[in-house]
Amino acid sequence: EDQVTQSPEALRLQEGESSSLNCSYTVSGLRGLFWYRQDPGKGPEFLFTLYSAGEEKEKERLKATLTKKESFLHITAPKPEDSATYLCAVQAGAAGNKLTFGGGTRVLVKP
Amino acid sequence: NAGVTQTPKFQVLKTGQSMTLQCAQDMNHNSMYWYRQDPGMGLRLIYYSASEGTTDKGEVPNGYNVSRLNKREFSLRLESAAPSQTSVYFCASSEFGGLDNQPQHFGDGTRLSIL
Repeated sequence: EDQVTQSPEALRLQEGESSSLNCSYTVSGLRGLFWYRQDPGKGPEFLFTLYSAGEEKEKERLKATLTKKESFLHITAPKPEDSATYLCAVQAGAAGNKLTFGGGTRVLVKP
Repeated sequence: NAGVTQTPKFQVLKTGQSMTLQCAQDMNHNSMYWYRQDPGMGLRLIYYSASEGTTDKGEVPNGYNVSRLNKREFSLRLESAAPSQTSVYFCASSEFGGLDNQPQHFGDGTRLSIL
């Protein structure tokens, strides 16, 4: 059974204080790892897809990296508008297009 | 750009009532999905439709039925609502993945309370 665990559950940062979110996964044949951002009252918004170990993707202050067992979402010099819940999901070889999600990390960036 | 549109946005039901949640996408995607999101549980797949004319069970299908009405629309029906089905329901769509998987794009959810 595919499993995804995100840590920490919640993260409070000062504006400008860089940090990393972790997504650990156990799957049979990873086809893709997806990062999403979710604002309160909204649906998840797609950020990145990572396909293989060693791959990195960047978007503004966010950088996602992937190893064979986990992915990290690095937030560099965060601003209050980066406050959101960040979700990680995996797509495995036998699961077709289905995603397995982690529980998310709630990030609060204080000015 | 509308993307994925869900209706209604909020609904309160009594135990035993039935209801259909509607979802439509305007991105010409082949695949559509229904998830529920509960505190501490993350997003869990209820049903999905890989292409028009097909539907399959996800992780938590009991108590639900779905209909892929056409390529654009995918509805979720609760035949006899139970308090355990109180949740936020999200619809999503994606291109058919093949070997180069495309991300799923989500609507803004339907918040459903069952008393």
